[in-house]
Amino acid sequence: KQEVTQIPAALSVPEGENLVLNCSFTDSAIYNLQWFRQDPGKGLTSLLLIQSSQREQTSGRLNASLDKSSGRSTLYIAASQPGDSATYLCASYNNNDMRFGAGTRLTVKP
Amino acid sequence: EAGVAQSPRYKIIEKRQSVAFWCNPISGHATLYWYQQILGQGPKLLIQFQNNGVVDDSQLPKDRFSAERLKGVDSTLKIQPAKLEDSAVYLCASSLGASGQYFGPGTRLLVL
Repeated sequence: KQEVTQIPAALSVPEGENLVLNCSFTDSAIYNLQWFRQDPGKGLTSLLLIQSSQREQTSGRLNASLDKSSGRSTLYIAASQPGDSATYLCASYNNNDMRFGAGTRLTVKP
Repeated sequence: EAGVAQSPRYKIIEKRQSVAFWCNPISGHATLYWYQQILGQGPKLLIQFQNNGVVDDSQLPKDRFSAERLKGVDSTLKIQPAKLEDSAVYLCASSLGASGQYFGPGTRLLVL
């Protein structure tokens, strides 16, 4: 049974800092890995999807990497802004089963 | 392209009452998912449909939860009777192949 862990559970940084969010998974036989953003009281917004054959995906200030052999993915946010404050969740997908981590709650202070 | 629609957005009920949630997925998405997200946790899959058939309902508390997707498009999730521990956000998502899942805004349920 796949287990997905996200560390840290919460992170607070000053505006402008570059930061890394971590995601680890126990079963490396994943089909893809997806990063989501969740604002308070809202649903999940997909940020980046990395297929198992890929090593990274980029969108604007966001870069996600995937290392299946070590069971890890990272989400890099460059030049953080107060508007980036949200909870970030990663989810692994394999065998019709999607497993989420508990998320990292990010606060970017002006 | 319209996103995943859910209603209602909020619902407050007393324990032992019944409640139903509705979801309309993105047009053309064959797979539909219902998740339960308890405060401070990641979403937990309750049930997955492929068209109008159930793919996975292993984590659905079948003594009180039920879901259907009769025509392979929209879906309803019902809780009867509700318990205090059912208070959560219920998220609906849809997908097409391996393109990733797209989530609706969720229904926030409070059971008193």
